[in-house]
Amino acid sequence: QAGLTQPPSVSKDLRQTATLTCTGNGHNVGNEGAVWLQQHQGHPPKLLSFRNNNRPAGISERFSASRSGDTASLTITGLQPEDEADYYCSAWDSSLNVWVFGGGTKLTVL
Amino acid sequence: QVHLVESGGAVVQPGGSLRLSCEVSGFTLSDFPMHWVRQAPGKGLEWVTVILRNGNIKHYADSVKGRFTISRDTSKNTLSLEMTSLRPDDTALYYCAREGNAFDIWGQGTMVTVSS
Repeated sequence: QAGLTQPPSVSKDLRQTATLTCTGNGHNVGNEGAVWLQQHQGHPPKLLSFRNNNRPAGISERFSASRSGDTASLTITGLQPEDEADYYCSAWDSSLNVWVFGGGTKLTVL
Repeated sequence: QVHLVESGGAVVQPGGSLRLSCEVSGFTLSDFPMHWVRQAPGKGLEWVTVILRNGNIKHYADSVKGRFTISRDTSKNTLSLEMTSLRPDDTALYYCAREGNAFDIWGQGTMVTVSS
């Protein structure tokens, strides 16, 4: 089961904007949309965004998700040191009946 | 307060079996699909399996199909993962996760090491 494609790493300066991408196909991201998770070292993942680009309660407005075709994006504005983490996208694949994850993007805030 | 607490992780030999548990509190187990997701050391997240709300529909990743079985005991508020024919590449931190709005609640994970 092929996973979703994410760039392995992204580096941005403090207070800048980072956009992370996640590419799938018409059976997963293009059909169901993607969810985004943040994981700090040594901690479980935390949900940042779910279907139709909604944010769970308590997630900063600096995190916003979008989708264009088979590619989902997570935009983080006003980067802070605590945003340095691994970011994963995931989507339900309706043809395979499985959830697929991206390989994760390590965000470094310079 | 909603909590998920995994247990049962251990060191096991290749070919061995293990049963993981995830005790939930603060919500009703049968109200949500529940997942197991694993993470090999230094690697990314890998979805393993889900049990849907009706308890009868279960889906598995190809990598574990036929070897792992997800189940739940609503009377004990416990989700389980029965793992057989374990292989070294099953070595990972195993998380249980609730699917409220996607994977909205996670446990801390339990470590499974498959090694001789």
